Amino acid sequence: LAKTTQPISMDSYEGQEVNITCSHNNIATNDYITWYQQFPSQGPRFIIQGYKTKVTNEVASLFIPADRKSSTLSLPRVSLSDTAVYYCLVGPDKLIFGTGTRLQVFP
Amino acid sequence: GAVVSQHPSRVICKSGTSVKIECRSLDFQATTMFWYRQFPKQSLMLMATSNEGSKATYEQGVEKDKFLINHASLTLSTLTVTSAHPEDSSFYICSATSQGITYEQYFGPGTRLTVT
Repeated sequence: LAKTTQPISMDSYEGQEVNITCSHNNIATNDYITWYQQFPSQGPRFIIQGYKTKVTNEVASLFIPADRKSSTLSLPRVSLSDTAVYYCLVGPDKLIFGTGTRLQVFP
Repeated sequence: GAVVSQHPSRVICKSGTSVKIECRSLDFQATTMFWYRQFPKQSLMLMATSNEGSKATYEQGVEKDKFLINHASLTLSTLTVTSAHPEDSSFYICSATSQGITYEQYFGPGTRLTVT
């Protein structure tokens, strides 16, 4: 199973763009990259998923280079409500959660 | 999007008793369900994987006789914590997946178990 490495924490201010990078050096050919958001005492919430290049939805963008050994979650114009833990996971099915990145957004 | 529910949302039980947590996929058929536990300020730890109609596969270090998992239908999986002890107090989260073109897991809201 591919292991992921993310920064433990990040700080930002409202209105800024936040980029969280995740490394997954031993990603397998059939692995997808998925990002989840988790608030305290809640289950993780799906943000975005991709396999290669760039994926964009209404809340985020996901950038994946050609070698797929890393990925970057981009959150445009964060707000206070984006303060949460963000997890990067790879896999076709069984997901192993790493430490996640604790994002703190300040006013 | 797909919805997964858990019941109860929180439960308090006495040491030595058993407690059952239900996980349901409300609007899709879940071929696979996963159970996680999460301690405060820590990441989710995968406990077991269950496929409908077959025995669950437990992660290393998880006692299968203590954490009984039943996945009797494509919409319901249950986790029973038997002979609960205070150290079993945790946040239990299930997720479900219905594999198609992408492999997205849908997570339940979690169940807070407190053993006194």
